Amino acid sequence: KAGVTQTPRYLIKTRGQQVTLSCSPISGHRSVSWYQQTPGQGLQFLFEYFSETQRNKGNFPGRFSGRQFSNSRSEMNVSTLELGDSALYLCASSLDQGAGGNEQFFGPGTRLTVL
Amino acid sequence: AQSVAQPEDQVNVAEGNPLTVKCTYSVSGNPYLFWYVQYPNRGLQFLLKYITGDNLVKGSYGFEAEFNKSQTSFHLKKPSALVSDSALYFCAVRDGVRGKLIFGQGTTLQVKP
Repeated sequence: KAGVTQTPRYLIKTRGQQVTLSCSPISGHRSVSWYQQTPGQGLQFLFEYFSETQRNKGNFPGRFSGRQFSNSRSEMNVSTLELGDSALYLCASSLDQGAGGNEQFFGPGTRLTVL
Repeated sequence: AQSVAQPEDQVNVAEGNPLTVKCTYSVSGNPYLFWYVQYPNRGLQFLLKYITGDNLVKGSYGFEAEFNKSQTSFHLKKPSALVSDSALYFCAVRDGVRGKLIFGQGTTLQVKP
């Protein structure tokens, strides 16, 4: 079974631009979560989508948004990029995060650098 | 609110020696606890989880974790460390049955030959 894939793997953008990151979950997984990883803040939850609906949301500004498609693929968008948005963005999928014991499977991440 | 803490930024151990990476948690209700490992420039890999049942949970790559309800701890252990175990380890707790994963700040494990 193929793992979680994320594209692109690396991105360089300038302040003020916007960016879209893509995530394809493991086949059959309907829950997709997004995380931001930085050296200073660690791993922080952005949002989770399940069956095309946002089920959970972290404490990020509205510049960060996401969506999920009917095939469970997900995208996240960051508008008006700031230097502080430079991070590794990780996507994770699970069978159903509603069942508390389901583990999440992570993709390799997208490394975003904002100049 | 649920939270998890990893009190050590780094753990150093010699190859062949047992290792422990510490994690404490704070939850209301039953805890759903996880350990993940991250190698450089990679995503997180699932190691093991505690949902219910036996307090000693066995996972991938010879790792195990001990759930202690009275001490609210979920320490990761391995009887004999390998150099290849050197990586960043994260403990996580589920924020409720349908909630997000909340991660600790991570512990760097350094295993020296």
